[in-house]
Amino acid sequence: EAQVTQNPRYLITVTGKKLTVTCSQNMNHEYMSWYRQDPGLGLRQIYYSMNVEVTDKGDVPEGYKVSRKEKRNFPLILESPSPNQTSLYFCATSRKLQGKRNTEAFFGQGTRLTVV
Amino acid sequence: TQLLEQSPQFLSIQEGENLTVYCNSSSVFSSLQWYRQEPGEGPVLLVTVVTGGEVKKLKRLTFQFGDARKDSSLHITAAQPGDTGLYLCAGVLVLNFGNEKLTFGTGTRLTIIP
Repeated sequence: EAQVTQNPRYLITVTGKKLTVTCSQNMNHEYMSWYRQDPGLGLRQIYYSMNVEVTDKGDVPEGYKVSRKEKRNFPLILESPSPNQTSLYFCATSRKLQGKRNTEAFFGQGTRLTVV
Repeated sequence: TQLLEQSPQFLSIQEGENLTVYCNSSSVFSSLQWYRQEPGEGPVLLVTVVTGGEVKKLKRLTFQFGDARKDSSLHITAAQPGDTGLYLCAGVLVLNFGNEKLTFGTGTRLTIIP
């Protein structure tokens, strides 16, 4: 079964304590990205990766890091979390719809992060 | 700056009624997608519209892409409780070297009351 798997699903942490949210996909997609979802703001892209060792900033990258050492994994790293990073985070992979220049995104189930 | 505004932000209606959700932008998109998200899950793609003026139907859901490819609407006929969820539009922008970026709307939370 095609899947995007995030861990953990829920996390409560304290300000300044480094954390990593993992994302793994089994669909062999080149493109992966991280979003945060906040009420009234929709999904905002944090970072994305076009392929292994190729990453770039999205719309709200401050306070986050990513790495793409292998195709299937794209971890999100918060070196020093702050309360304003409390949010619902989604990892997504994308593929090209056959014969068309459109990007269909497949999402993980989300990670609800609370920073106190 | 939010490129895609959805309205209404919240909508609660009785089962059997019709409704329309709007997605508006000042930007032109190469295509536009609609996703539905249920509690505890990630968004799932419903449809992609590509051509200005295009209309696509998915059972009781009708999606339309504006003629200028800046806006879209989702119309639901005879809403059912199973339609409850968060609806997100997403515009596809073509970047350099053929890369594409999805920009999501602010979302419409729909509740259908039995």
